[in-house]
Amino acid sequence: LAKTTQPISMDSYEGQEVNITCSHNNIATNDYITWYQQFPSQGPRFIIQGYKTKVTNEVASLFIPADRKSSTLSLPRVSLSDTAVYYCLVGGNNDMRFGAGTRLTVKP
Amino acid sequence: ETGVTQSPTHLIKTRGQQVTLRCSSQSGHNTVSWYQQALGQGPQFIFQYYREEENGRGNFPPRFSGLQFPNYSSELNVNALELDDSALYLCASSFREVVNTEAFFGQGTRLTVV
Repeated sequence: LAKTTQPISMDSYEGQEVNITCSHNNIATNDYITWYQQFPSQGPRFIIQGYKTKVTNEVASLFIPADRKSSTLSLPRVSLSDTAVYYCLVGGNNDMRFGAGTRLTVKP
Repeated sequence: ETGVTQSPTHLIKTRGQQVTLRCSSQSGHNTVSWYQQALGQGPQFIFQYYREEENGRGNFPPRFSGLQFPNYSSELNVNALELDDSALYLCASSFREVVNTEAFFGQGTRLTVV
């Protein structure tokens, strides 16, 4: 099982772009990279998923280099409501193992 | 809001008791995964159920058991509760046949063991 490594915490200010990088050196050929967001006392919420190169949706972008040993979640122009824990997972939805996540704090 | 609902939302039990937590999956999903999340930590995988059978298990003792029903809803049972079982219990539903679709989580059940 691929293990992921993320920064424990990050601080940002409203309106800034935030990039959170995740390392997954042992990612398998069939593994997808998925990011979830979690607010206190709530279940994680899907943000974005990708396999290679770049994926963009209405809330975030995901950058994956060619070797796929890392990925970067990019949140454009964050707001106070983006304060949460962000988890990077590798695998498929049938094998989701969470790490400790990155606690993002957005300040005014 | 996801279509995954968990009950109850909060529960207080005494050490040594047994507890059953319930999860109804998103419409169209056939797989349910259960997680335990202690305060300040990431969710820890307990097990997954697919077509009414356990399909993968994390590092949890046998006193953690589960069921999945024909309608794909699921139960998590914990026997002989210990103080360390106090946590937020989350279930997630997904469609196993498509590996790269998102999983939907419920809001969780907060279990307190005293």
